[in-house]
Amino acid sequence: NAGVTQTPKFRILKIGQSMTLQCTQDMNHNYMYWYRQDPGMGLKLIYYSVGAGITDKGEVPNGYNVSRSTTEDFPLRLELAAPSQTSVYFCASSHGIYTYGAFFGQGTRLTVV
Amino acid sequence: GIQVEQSPPDLILQEGANSTLRCNFSDSVNNLQWFHQNPWGQLINLFYIPSGTKQNGRLSATTVATERYSLLYISSSQTTDSGVYFCAVARRVRETSGSRLTFGEGTQLTVNP
Repeated sequence: NAGVTQTPKFRILKIGQSMTLQCTQDMNHNYMYWYRQDPGMGLKLIYYSVGAGITDKGEVPNGYNVSRSTTEDFPLRLELAAPSQTSVYFCASSHGIYTYGAFFGQGTRLTVV
Repeated sequence: GIQVEQSPPDLILQEGANSTLRCNFSDSVNNLQWFHQNPWGQLINLFYIPSGTKQNGRLSATTVATERYSLLYISSSQTTDSGVYFCAVARRVRETSGSRLTFGEGTQLTVNP
């Protein structure tokens, strides 16, 4: 049971480039989330999804897009990367609203130069 | 949105000491979790504890939902306990809100040998 898997683990982008951060989970969780963590800070919610085909904005969605075509996958797209998007990105999933809590992937460390 | 405050922001202990970390939150919540972020950045789910008391080995947690706080106890601390401890909460606003966790800024724990 792999849990939540994120790829890549590290990436350096140039300003203006685009990329997709991949996230997949094998726990059949309906809910999936993308967070970012800036140095010395807690995590902030970018986007979330309550099921395939349904996504919604979190606290800091600007500069990002998501899609959810399957239960397992929840990719995060960065268009026109900016230095302010340098951060560590975490994907998470949860089974229900209240049960068991959320489980996190190992993170993707992104640097925009 | 919900405000989450953690204290203390930094804590330095000698191996074998006990400690208590506190999390205050500004509104009623349906979900509260404690996480440990290890020095490699991985987020480990310690407790899902919207109310009551739970114990797992040397760690235990208590949430008093009516008074809007949670405590994480670490007994007989070890160097491997070092890292950042995050409290995160969620309040169900509507059916589609999922577990949209709001994180505190964490307590940085250093356990010296």
